[in-house]
Amino acid sequence: AQRVTQPEKLLSVFKGAPVELKCNYSYSGSPELFWYVQYSRQRLQLLLRHISRESIKGFTADLNKGETSFHLKKPFAQEEDSAMYYCALSGNAGNMLTFGGGTRLMVKP
Amino acid sequence: EPEVTQTPSHQVTQMGQEVILRCVPISNHLYFYWYRQILGQKVEFLVSFYNNEISEKSEIFDDQFSVERPDGSNFTLKIRSTKLEDSAMYFCASGRPPGNEQFFGPGTRLTVL
Repeated sequence: AQRVTQPEKLLSVFKGAPVELKCNYSYSGSPELFWYVQYSRQRLQLLLRHISRESIKGFTADLNKGETSFHLKKPFAQEEDSAMYYCALSGNAGNMLTFGGGTRLMVKP
Repeated sequence: EPEVTQTPSHQVTQMGQEVILRCVPISNHLYFYWYRQILGQKVEFLVSFYNNEISEKSEIFDDQFSVERPDGSNFTLKIRSTKLEDSAMYFCASGRPPGNEQFFGPGTRLTVL
């Protein structure tokens, strides 16, 4: 069975502070990991995928297979980063996504 | 940029009634999905559809649920006899190989009274 855990429901930081949203997973094969973001009243949008190893809007995430983690990080949070963030896992192409419970990030001025 | 669309944005129905939720996936996508999110809970997979048939389904997707791609553009989710616990936000998504990225619609909020 595949599972994704996001231990924090809410993370509140001040603008300019570093951010780390935690994600742990369990999966027996080689997973593909994603971070999706949902801004207020908008749809789920893909933020990052581990295979592309890119930085989007200053966010990065590294897959750590030893710790089965895919934490999302940003060195300096901005107010516009306030949103709901979901970590998700998939197996092969076309497979379902398994989502974590989500973390609400609030960036205070 | 093409987007997945869903209609209606909000559907209110009486318990026991049938509902059909509609989605128009992105046109060159081949994989189609339905997910739901009960208020305060995580996004849950319902079903995936590829090559005109169901490829995966979860235990939530019981005999009350069905999916169809009737005309090559729409992708529908039907709930035959709604229950109170079917009240949720229903998301449609689509994707295409070789990647695994899924593009989500804005969702339909289903309220069963």
